[in-house]
Amino acid sequence: DAGVIQSPRHEVTEMGQEVTLRCKPISGHDYLFWYRQTMMRGLELLIYFNNNVPIDDSGMPEDRFSAKMPNASFSTLKIQPSEPRDSAVYFCASSLGQAGYTFGSGTRLTVV
Amino acid sequence: SQKIEQNSEALNIQEGKTATLTCNYTNYSPAYLQWYRQDPGRGPVFLLLIRENEKEKRKERLKVTFDTTLKQSLFHITASQPADSATYLCAPANSGNTPLVFGKGTRLSVIA
Repeated sequence: DAGVIQSPRHEVTEMGQEVTLRCKPISGHDYLFWYRQTMMRGLELLIYFNNNVPIDDSGMPEDRFSAKMPNASFSTLKIQPSEPRDSAVYFCASSLGQAGYTFGSGTRLTVV
Repeated sequence: SQKIEQNSEALNIQEGKTATLTCNYTNYSPAYLQWYRQDPGRGPVFLLLIRENEKEKRKERLKVTFDTTLKQSLFHITASQPADSATYLCAPANSGNTPLVFGKGTRLSVIA
């Protein structure tokens, strides 16, 4: 298995633009998580899905953030419009039940 | 509110010595606790899971203890090596259905 695959690896965008981050979880995993990591706040949970259904999105900072999981093998996190304070590393992780999580390599987002 | 505290300062240790990292938590009654390793530019990697009814768990040179009375977990690396240099994150979880909330981590440097 190639692990959790995230794309793009790096994204630089201008303030106000739409940004879409993509994630392919490990086949057979039933949980998918989106986290954001900054030096100041560490790893923060944004939203998580169980069997493709969003369970808790209370960590999504604003309405500008949205996430979807149309099928078991794909999820997106969208920011529209993006702002400089959204700059961070965004991680996707998947798990089977609540066993250890497998994280992707992350997307480093820079909004200028 | 729930709080997770890890050694805020970086930990520097001589090669061959035992490194001990601390994870304290408040307002949690974790059913289990997980430890992860994170290298620069990469996602966290799962290391160990310890359940509330387990006092200690070992994996090769790693040992984790879990004291629910003290609300603390200790993570030990024996015979430390420069390759062990990384940031280590702890994550307690109240139940099998709640997503992980991570501490900010402790950066370990093993000096040859």
